[in-house]
Amino acid sequence: EAGVTQFPSHSVIEKGQTVTLRCDPISGHDNLYWYRRVMGKEIKFLLHFVKESKQDESGMPNNRFLAERTGGTYSTLKVQPAELEDSGVYFCASSLTENTEAFFGQGTRLTVV
Amino acid sequence: GENVEQHPSTLSVQEGDSAVIKCTYSDSASNYFPWYKQELGKRPQLIIDIRSNVGEKKDQRIAVTLNKTAKHFSLHITETQPEDSAVYFCAPSNYGGSQGNLIFGKGTKLSVKP
Repeated sequence: EAGVTQFPSHSVIEKGQTVTLRCDPISGHDNLYWYRRVMGKEIKFLLHFVKESKQDESGMPNNRFLAERTGGTYSTLKVQPAELEDSGVYFCASSLTENTEAFFGQGTRLTVV
Repeated sequence: GENVEQHPSTLSVQEGDSAVIKCTYSDSASNYFPWYKQELGKRPQLIIDIRSNVGEKKDQRIAVTLNKTAKHFSLHITETQPEDSAVYFCAPSNYGGSQGNLIFGKGTKLSVKP
């Protein structure tokens, strides 16, 4: 069974550009989470989808970040325009239900220069 | 919201020794207590978890103990090996409550010296 996959694995963009990260959860997992780890700090929650609905987006840092999960399958996280402080590793995780183990993707390392 | 603290932030042990990492949390409604291991450049992976109706759980060389009264839980690794070197995160949460997501601690970098 395929795990959670994220694309791209690395992205280097200039400040002010737009980047879109993609996450493919484990098939059948209704719950999808986005997290990020910046500058060696803790992994911070960004938002939580249940199917295509945003269950909790309290961790989204500002309106430059837009997450979507059309059709309740894969999800995208767009950063527009990117700022230097957005650099970090963005993780996606999925779980079958809210009460079961969350499986993480490999992460996307974003570098904004 | 939940405040999570891990101690120590770094830990260096000799191969074969034991390692203990402690996680304290603030939300008394937390009922799920996992530990994640993240090796360099890899994804966080669940290594052990415990739910609030259990005080201790063991899986070979790793164990987790929970003290709900004091609001802390600990990861114990015995007979450490070099491959145990990684960053370990606790992530207490309230499954079924208002937070279905995981709130991570800042991580503990464990180095096991051969």
